[in-house]
Amino acid sequence: AQKITQTQPGMFVQEKEAVTLDCTYDTSDQSYGLFWYKQPSSGEMIFLIYQGSYDEQNATEGRYSLNFQKARKSANLVISASQLGDSAMYFCAMSPIFWGGYNKLIFGAGTRLAVHP
Amino acid sequence: NAGVTQTPKFRVLKTGQSMTLLCAQDMNHEYMYWYRQDPGMGLRLIHYSVGEGTTAKGEVPDGYNVSRLKKQNFLLGLESAAPSQTSVYFCASSYWEGENTEAFFGQGTRLTVV
Repeated sequence: AQKITQTQPGMFVQEKEAVTLDCTYDTSDQSYGLFWYKQPSSGEMIFLIYQGSYDEQNATEGRYSLNFQKARKSANLVISASQLGDSAMYFCAMSPIFWGGYNKLIFGAGTRLAVHP
Repeated sequence: NAGVTQTPKFRVLKTGQSMTLLCAQDMNHEYMYWYRQDPGMGLRLIHYSVGEGTTAKGEVPDGYNVSRLKKQNFLLGLESAAPSQTSVYFCASSYWEGENTEAFFGQGTRLTVV
């Protein structure tokens, strides 16, 4: 069975500092994708970054990077230079990669990040 | 460009009542999904569709039915609502471009069953 584990219910970071949000996963699939989503207090789900299981390089998107360690089955999100607007709930998710490209996301329980000025 | 639009945004139902949640996307995406989010948990997949006229069960399908008569719409039905179905419901859509299958989410529907 697939599972996503986010062990940090809450995290605090000072504005302009970097923060790492942990995510470990369990899957027997050979081909899968890892996603991070942000959910602000307004409730919408905002896609941040994607990492494919066969990607050798860590994904980066602006201030977001994904520290992918396949052997350890971890996919940590690193946010550099935190901003007050980064305060939100962050979800790690995973999906097998199906032929045709649809996904069936499995989500972790989330980490609530608070950025302090 | 509206993206994924869910109707309604809020709803209160009495136990045993029925209702339909509507999801519409204007991005011509092939794939559509319904998730639910309960307090302290991540989203869980209810049903999904890989194309017009097709539907499939996800992780928590019991008590729900879906239909995808048109490519742009994905309906989620509750035939006899139960308090356990109190949740926030999210619709999402995605397309295939290479390997990344990012899902685009609607704004959510907060449903309370009393």
